[in-house]
Amino acid sequence: RKEVEQDPGPFNVPEGATVAFNCTYSNSASQSFFWYRQDCRKEPKLLMSVYSSGNEDGRFTAQLNRASQYISLLIRDSKLSDSATYLCVVGGGSYIPTFGRGTSLIVHP
Amino acid sequence: NAGVTQTPKFQVLKTGQSMTLQCAQDMNHEYMSWYRQDPGMGLRLIHYSVGAGITDQGEVPNGYNVSRSTTEDFPLRLLSAAPSQTSVYFCASSTTGAHGYTFGSGTRLTVV
Repeated sequence: RKEVEQDPGPFNVPEGATVAFNCTYSNSASQSFFWYRQDCRKEPKLLMSVYSSGNEDGRFTAQLNRASQYISLLIRDSKLSDSATYLCVVGGGSYIPTFGRGTSLIVHP
Repeated sequence: NAGVTQTPKFQVLKTGQSMTLQCAQDMNHEYMSWYRQDPGMGLRLIHYSVGAGITDQGEVPNGYNVSRSTTEDFPLRLLSAAPSQTSVYFCASSTTGAHGYTFGSGTRLTVV
């Protein structure tokens, strides 16, 4: 079983839609969780950290479920500019993160 | 405010050649890492460092060397380039690793 698993997609949604991605991780000792965004041929950029209590940043909401070992990202009111690959990142005790392979999102007019 | 700077941005090597990919950060981050990204494979960790003088191997270290003589610099050396090392290489840094990583813009390497 891979350490961090994501559905590669693509998720193809119209503008204004709500879309959610899940990511499962295998190491129950994981301590840090993030979502990154990567545009085509660009470097990954930190979108948001994921806290046990959940957190929200504008149209983006991230949740952590330790019991089931998954994190989620919800995007509301999708924009064309949200089209990208979203990487789930999980850090262990050494804080050296493991990256998922990413979920591709395409928002169309 | 440069962040993480990688050079070169593009490189073509012949099989068997050696070269060094440069990475420098100006944020006084302790943690630095090198990743390679291949289509369908995601980001794979090559080597990492948790501070000056300390390095360790990641998931795919073979064919690569690193050193960390200063906090700012973390060069990646390809000892004898092979076509399998054709990839996009990213350097990243973090304060502690628990706060997420800042990435450089990448080096696109082709080995022919």
